[in-house]
Amino acid sequence: DGGITQSPKYLFRKEGQNVTLSCEQNLNHDAMYWYRQDPGQGLRLIYYSQIVNDFQKGDIAEGYSVSREKKESFPLTVTSAQKNPTAFYLCASSPGQGGKSYGYTFGSGTRLTVV
Amino acid sequence: QQQVKQSPQSLIVQKGGISIINCAYENTAFDYFPWYQQFPGKGPALLIAIRPDVSEKKEGRFTISFNKSAKQFSLHIMDSQPGDSATYFCAASTNSGYALNFGKGTSLLVTP
Repeated sequence: DGGITQSPKYLFRKEGQNVTLSCEQNLNHDAMYWYRQDPGQGLRLIYYSQIVNDFQKGDIAEGYSVSREKKESFPLTVTSAQKNPTAFYLCASSPGQGGKSYGYTFGSGTRLTVV
Repeated sequence: QQQVKQSPQSLIVQKGGISIINCAYENTAFDYFPWYQQFPGKGPALLIAIRPDVSEKKEGRFTISFNKSAKQFSLHIMDSQPGDSATYFCAASTNSGYALNFGKGTSLLVTP
């Protein structure tokens, strides 16, 4: 079945540590996204990528980094510069090109907690 | 700033009742308005979507009403069921844009 796989489901980070969240899709979608979800804040865009080897900052990119070396993969690194990283992180993809944002598919999320 | 404003933040409806969630936007370039449903611990799933060339779209018990002049759109859930209890997000995007702009979400509880 086609879909988006996020791993791990739960992740614990120590202060000053970088962690990487995995996102893989087999939908052959061109565009991929990372959102952060906090209670009462909705979904806020961190980064997005329209094509391989290209990505753009979203509304809250500070303290995060991404790469897009393969069409199927869009990992997110939460760096030590992110002062409040505890949140639920969601990866999504969409067809892009003619479809652009239409038909977003989300993964099941990674819950990151700072310990 | 929030490009899509959603209300109410939370909603309690009795089984069989109508749930109504409202969203408003300012950017007249928005041309795609989806609604997403999210259960605890899961990612959001597309529920229903509308383009501004129609004023209403219905899929089963779910209906989107769209008012272009008022720049508002709403989700109506008819005959609400306990299984509809979830968080609902409205969103909007432009034809030239890739990223969806989400509202802050509405937590719906349908009581038996």
